Amino acid sequence: DGGITQSPKYLFRKEGQNVTLSCEQNLNHDAMYWYRQDPGQGLRLIYYSQIVNDFQKGDIAEGYSVSREKKESFPLTVTSAQKNPTAFYLCASSGTRVNEQFFGPGTRLTVL
Amino acid sequence: SQQGEEDPQALSIQEGENATMNCSYKTSINNLQWYRQNSGRGLVHLILIRSNEREKHSGRLRVTLDTSKKSSSLLITASRAADTASYFCAPLGAGSYQLTFGKGTKLSVIP
Repeated sequence: DGGITQSPKYLFRKEGQNVTLSCEQNLNHDAMYWYRQDPGQGLRLIYYSQIVNDFQKGDIAEGYSVSREKKESFPLTVTSAQKNPTAFYLCASSGTRVNEQFFGPGTRLTVL
Repeated sequence: SQQGEEDPQALSIQEGENATMNCSYKTSINNLQWYRQNSGRGLVHLILIRSNEREKHSGRLRVTLDTSKKSSSLLITASRAADTASYFCAPLGAGSYQLTFGKGTKLSVIP
């Protein structure tokens, strides 16, 4: 099956710890994206990558880091510098210039 | 980047009725896309309308685009309980690679 997967589905961490969220796609898409969604809110772009070994900051990159060493993978690290990390994190990929995006199921991160 | 703003924020209708959601945006676009999100899940792409198109259909979905008013609407005909979800519009700005999402319209279809 082609698709985009995120793991884990739920993640609990103590305040001050870094945590890495996984995102993998087998759609052969060049572009990948990370969004954050807070309750009752829309999606805010954290980072995006249009090609391997290159990525750009989105609207709310502070406190987050990413890497894009492989086309299939775009992990997101939530660092201790992120002031309010509890949120629902969505990863997406796109393979066309019109930028139709395919989303993963999301990871719900709760910082205790 | 620019953000689509959906209206209304919430909509409650009876099964079988039509549901209309609106979207406004600020600057020139390449295309505008609509997505659906079921509670606690990822978004699913519904339909894309290009800037040179005025109307597009897909099954029970009808999307219109008025670039002079910088607005779009999504009509779901003969709604079903399974249509209960949040709906987001996402304009793709001309020359941009980023989609931006508003807060969405939360649709409740009552059986």
